[in-house]
Amino acid sequence: EVQLVQSGAEIKKPGESLKISCKASGYNFTEYWIGWVRQMPGKGLEWMGIIYPGDSESKYSPSFQGQVTISADKSISTAYLQWSSLKASDSAMYYCARFTGGSWGQGTLVTVSS
Amino acid sequence: DIVLTQTPPSSPVTLGQPASISCRSSQSLVHNDGNTYLNWLQQRPGQPPRLLIYKVSKRFSGVPDRFSGSGAGTAFTLKISRVEAEDVGVYYCMQATQFPQTFGGGTKLEIK
Repeated sequence: EVQLVQSGAEIKKPGESLKISCKASGYNFTEYWIGWVRQMPGKGLEWMGIIYPGDSESKYSPSFQGQVTISADKSISTAYLQWSSLKASDSAMYYCARFTGGSWGQGTLVTVSS
Repeated sequence: DIVLTQTPPSSPVTLGQPASISCRSSQSLVHNDGNTYLNWLQQRPGQPPRLLIYKVSKRFSGVPDRFSGSGAGTAFTLKISRVEAEDVGVYYCMQATQFPQTFGGGTKLEIK
């Protein structure tokens, strides 16, 4: 069974850095693109970017290019989403997803507040 | 980027009645490989999204057959033949034909 398990909720201050994770199991991690989706409170889904763990090729939405970094560690079947300097506007639920095959993580709630 | 426009934004439906959601794309979603990568997802309140339909009309594993997808090129439709209480939530179309992949704005399905 394909599973994506995300790291827990985070409360951070503006300007802090953060890296959240998505651990995959039940399939060959290196063979499928895995992406990240933002959902701000009460709003729709926003596609942020995606990575192919086999060769670490990544693609970003122009809206998120330069704002976040997507990476993957194939030795532990884990994808990451990171920020170097958080803003209050980064407060949202973040989902990882293997879009091919319809597997989604449970979501990681990020709250950025002074 | 490909823009997906969903209508209506909200849809009040009587239990047992049909519902229909439209998704229009700013450009053709036919991939170079001949496939059309248009998906439909359901998000129930407080839950992650769930895949219902992929490649326009293929029902994902475990999805009830009251859900169906159709369309081609730039115009697509999700239909629910008889709405049940568990269908309440927000429905999104998503294109995976071209990077960046994009979502429609969502359609909120409510029971009258």
